[in-house]
Amino acid sequence: GESVGLHLPTLSVQEGDNSIINCAYSNSASDYFIWYKQESGKGPQFIIDIRSNMDKRQGQRVTVLLNKTVKHLSLQIAATQPGDSAVYFCAEKNQAGTALIFGKGTTLSVSS
Amino acid sequence: DTEVTQTPKHLVMGMTNKKSLKCEQHMGHRAMYWYKQKAKKPPELMFVYSYEKLSINESVPSRFSPECPNSSLLNLHLHALQPEDSALYLCASSQDAEPYSNQPQHFGDGTRLSIL
Repeated sequence: GESVGLHLPTLSVQEGDNSIINCAYSNSASDYFIWYKQESGKGPQFIIDIRSNMDKRQGQRVTVLLNKTVKHLSLQIAATQPGDSAVYFCAEKNQAGTALIFGKGTTLSVSS
Repeated sequence: DTEVTQTPKHLVMGMTNKKSLKCEQHMGHRAMYWYKQKAKKPPELMFVYSYEKLSINESVPSRFSPECPNSSLLNLHLHALQPEDSALYLCASSQDAEPYSNQPQHFGDGTRLSIL
């Protein structure tokens, strides 16, 4: 079946460290991937996306890396701050290309 | 502040009640979505509307009935729900769907639903 999973359910880092959140996806035909951040009591918030014709995309303090060979997606957060504490989900297109499916999520905890 | 507005934020209802969840967006998006999210789980797709027509129903029980009155509004009518339907119900929108375009979905903050 279709599934998108994350390698680690939780990640704890110190303020100022760099964080790397990983995701293994299953649909090799997906041409679009996206990362969301969900804080407690809120809906998922768009962070960054990447199309399959790219290997890397950078935003403000965030970088997404795509390795299509091993079907792996990662989110790097530079100089992690306490406000980055949240659950992070990766998502990919389903097999039909009609919707997004979400991975299991990684809870990032940042201590100061 | 989210650009997708959901009301109410919280809803408690009995199993025999009828209630509706509402979602509104003014970004000119032509695709709107309902997701269900249980605690500590990812959002699960329920319905997709594209140009005000239902395009995907992920085998959702008939006690959930979606409605798209116009391109800015999306409702989810609830009737005879079960305790296991207690969850966070999220609405999202994107520029278009069918096929899904490579654009992010924008989410509201959800309605926390509790079934007694």
